[in-house]
Amino acid sequence: DGGITQSPKYLFRKEGQNVTLSCEQNLNHDAMYWYRQDPGQGLRLIYYSQIVNDFQKGDIAEGYSVSREKKESFPLTVTSAQKNPTAFYLCASKTGASNQPQHFGDGTRLSIL
Amino acid sequence: ELKVEQNPLFLSMQEEKNYTIYCNYSTTSDRLYWYRQDPGKSLESLFVLLSNGAVKQEGRLMASLDTKARLSTLHITAAVHDLSATYFCAVDIWSGSRLTFGEGTQLTVNP
Repeated sequence: DGGITQSPKYLFRKEGQNVTLSCEQNLNHDAMYWYRQDPGQGLRLIYYSQIVNDFQKGDIAEGYSVSREKKESFPLTVTSAQKNPTAFYLCASKTGASNQPQHFGDGTRLSIL
Repeated sequence: ELKVEQNPLFLSMQEEKNYTIYCNYSTTSDRLYWYRQDPGKSLESLFVLLSNGAVKQEGRLMASLDTKARLSTLHITAAVHDLSATYFCAVDIWSGSRLTFGEGTQLTVNP
């Protein structure tokens, strides 16, 4: 079955530590996205990539970094510069056709130890 | 800056009643999406609205788009408990490259 796999499902970060969230898709989608969701709020865009080896900042990129070395993979690193990283992180992907929605993974819940 | 506002943010309904969720946005767009999220879960795509006057229906849910008014509605007919979830609208003004989401409407359908 085609889909988007995020791992791990739960992640804990210590002070001063960088952590990396994985996102893999086998839908052959060109575009991939990372969102942050805080409790009771909507989704905010962190980074997105429309093609391999290229990515753009979203609305809240500070304290985060990404790479897009392969079409299937778009990992997100939450750096120690992100002072309030506790949130639910959702990865999405989309085909290039404008009439298609973004498809979402099951999310990673990140907490501070 | 694009703003997307949903109204209401919280909605408690009785079963079998009808209600409408509104999504207003601040910049011209002809692409709007509705998603559903169950507690602690991911987002599920419900509707894709791609032109002025577009109307889509699935079961007890019907979505419409008025690009002139910059307004989309999600109408719930004869609500049932299974519809309890948070509903998000999302607007695309960047030609398919990214979305801006509303805050979400948390719907609770009571017996």
